[in-house]
Amino acid sequence: RKEVEQDPGPFNVPEGATVAFNCTYSNSASQSFFWYRQDCRKEPKLLMSVYSSGNEDGRFTAQLNRASQYISLLIRDSKLSDSATYLCVVNRANQAGTALIFGKGTTLSVSS
Amino acid sequence: NAGVTQTPKFQVLKTGQSMTLQCAQDMNHEYMSWYRQDPGMGLRLIHYSVGAGITDQGEVPNGYNVSRSTTEDFPLRLLSAAPSQTSVYFCASRGDYYEQYFGPGTRLTVT
Repeated sequence: RKEVEQDPGPFNVPEGATVAFNCTYSNSASQSFFWYRQDCRKEPKLLMSVYSSGNEDGRFTAQLNRASQYISLLIRDSKLSDSATYLCVVNRANQAGTALIFGKGTTLSVSS
Repeated sequence: NAGVTQTPKFQVLKTGQSMTLQCAQDMNHEYMSWYRQDPGMGLRLIHYSVGAGITDQGEVPNGYNVSRSTTEDFPLRLLSAAPSQTSVYFCASRGDYYEQYFGPGTRLTVT
């Protein structure tokens, strides 16, 4: 099983749609989880951290299910500007330096 | 506050040439890292540093060297460029809650 797995998509949705991405991770000891957004030919940027209790930031909701070892990102009322690649990120626990492991990303395309 | 800066933005090398990719951050972060990103492969960790004078290998370190003489700077050296090193290289520094801040990237082509 890969350390972090995401459905690569692409997800093609109309404006206003609700879309959800899932991500699974293999290391049950991981404790830090994030969603990053990467626009074409740009650097990844932190979208939001994912907390055990779930968290929301405007139209974006992130949830963590430790028992099943998956993370989700829900985007409501999609905008054209949401078109990007969304990267799921998990820390590799119990290692000096604690590296962050990136999923390969899920591509979202929002159309008018 | 510039965050993480990288130079150059673009570079073309011939096989066998060496060069250094520069990375600097002004956030006083101890942890810095270098990634490469290739189509279909995602971001892969090359080297990282937990502080000045301390570096370690990541997932794909072969063909690359790093040093960390100051907190601010973390250069990546390609010893003898190969076409397989054609990629986009991102430098990142990490904050107190493991969140990472990336530089704008260097697009390297090796012919």
